[in-house]
Amino acid sequence: EAQVTQNPRYLITVTGKKLTVTCSQNMNHEYMSWYRQDPGLGLRQIYYSMNVEVTDKGDVPEGYKVSRKEKRNFPLILESPSPNQTSLYFCASSLYPSGQLNEQFFGPGTRLTVL
Amino acid sequence: EDKVVQSPLSLVVHEGDTVTLNCSYEVTNFRSLLWYKQEKKAPTFLFMLTSSGIEKKSGRLSSILDKKELSSILNITATQTGDSAIYLCAVKGQGFSFIFGKGTRLLVKP
Repeated sequence: EAQVTQNPRYLITVTGKKLTVTCSQNMNHEYMSWYRQDPGLGLRQIYYSMNVEVTDKGDVPEGYKVSRKEKRNFPLILESPSPNQTSLYFCASSLYPSGQLNEQFFGPGTRLTVL
Repeated sequence: EDKVVQSPLSLVVHEGDTVTLNCSYEVTNFRSLLWYKQEKKAPTFLFMLTSSGIEKKSGRLSSILDKKELSSILNITATQTGDSAIYLCAVKGQGFSFIFGKGTRLLVKP
């Protein structure tokens, strides 16, 4: 089944404890992206990647890191999480970053709480 | 700064009504506008509109892009309770980024 998977789905952690949220897609998509969704603020893009080893900042990259060593994986790293990073996180992918086939498929979401 | 604004932020209608959701945008070098539906989970894709494809239709849902007014509308006719969701509009921004609006929360009452 074609899908985007994220792990973990739920995470409660404490301030300053490094964490990684994994994202994987099995559709051979070139473009992958991370978003956070907060009440009243909608979806905001954190980072995106056009292909392996090519990443760029979205609207709200502060406090986050990403890497794209393989085409299928795009982990989101929080080196020192803070309470303001408590949010619902979505990973998404699309076949190409532009053109007719850039509709994004979203993963199921990761709900992160930082105490 | 690129911007996407959706209106209204929320809407309550009764089954059978027709609704129109609005999305206006200010982006440098517009390339595409996308509509998504979000129920209690991840957003799912509805339509993509570009300069070469300004009107899309699927069943009771349709969408039009107005390039002059820098806006798009999403119409839902004969609404059903299953249409209750948050409807998101997104526009391709600078580089390969996407800018989302805050969404319109639609509630369809029986």
